[in-house]
Amino acid sequence: AQKVTQAQTEISVVEKEDVTLDCVYETRDTTYYLFWYKQPPSGELVFLIRRNSFDEQNEISGRYSWNFQKSTSSFNFTITASQVVDSAVYFCALRFTSGTYKYIFGTGTRLKVLA
Amino acid sequence: AAGVIQSPRHLIKEKRETATLKCYPIPRHDTVYWYQQGPGQDPQFLISFYEKMQSDKGSIPDRFSAQQFSDYHSELNMSSLELGDSALYFCASSLAGGRSGDTQYFGPGTRLTVL
Repeated sequence: AQKVTQAQTEISVVEKEDVTLDCVYETRDTTYYLFWYKQPPSGELVFLIRRNSFDEQNEISGRYSWNFQKSTSSFNFTITASQVVDSAVYFCALRFTSGTYKYIFGTGTRLKVLA
Repeated sequence: AAGVIQSPRHLIKEKRETATLKCYPIPRHDTVYWYQQGPGQDPQFLISFYEKMQSDKGSIPDRFSAQQFSDYHSELNMSSLELGDSALYFCASSLAGGRSGDTQYFGPGTRLTVL
């Protein structure tokens, strides 16, 4: 099966707390891409990061960091010192390199950051 | 930077009516994807076009059709609308049919309400 699982449906944190959003994927392909998108209350899908299956380096961008572990098929997303503006639904997505280039999305995690 | 443009942003239709959604990709992008996102759900892939030819097909109802024009914009035509078609419809664009792993950039979406 080719799927993305985001087991956390909703997370609530208090501002300035760190929070990690989990993403676990299943695929038979050896080459693939993983993505994170943010969907704020306004509804648009905002691209955050892309990672290909050959690059297991972790990445940090400001308060955002991503941990890709191929051995556990996970691509987790951490927000450090969360802010109210981080409140959104976050989607993890999987895309292949042949056959079809559509995204397979996880069900999303709704993050609520309380002031 | 220019983004994906979708029109209209909001659309209200009655059951059994038709609707046409338009998408203008990022300049130089040659691939367009359509997704449907129901309330509280993840986006589901409908159909994609690369260089004006259909490149992939997902869970698109037979009542829906789409095409990509010579200027690369795309239209999603929906007929015999049903209440269940009420959703947020996203268009995304990318380069080179997605083969290079290029990220899909999403438009703001068209919110369709069927009464």
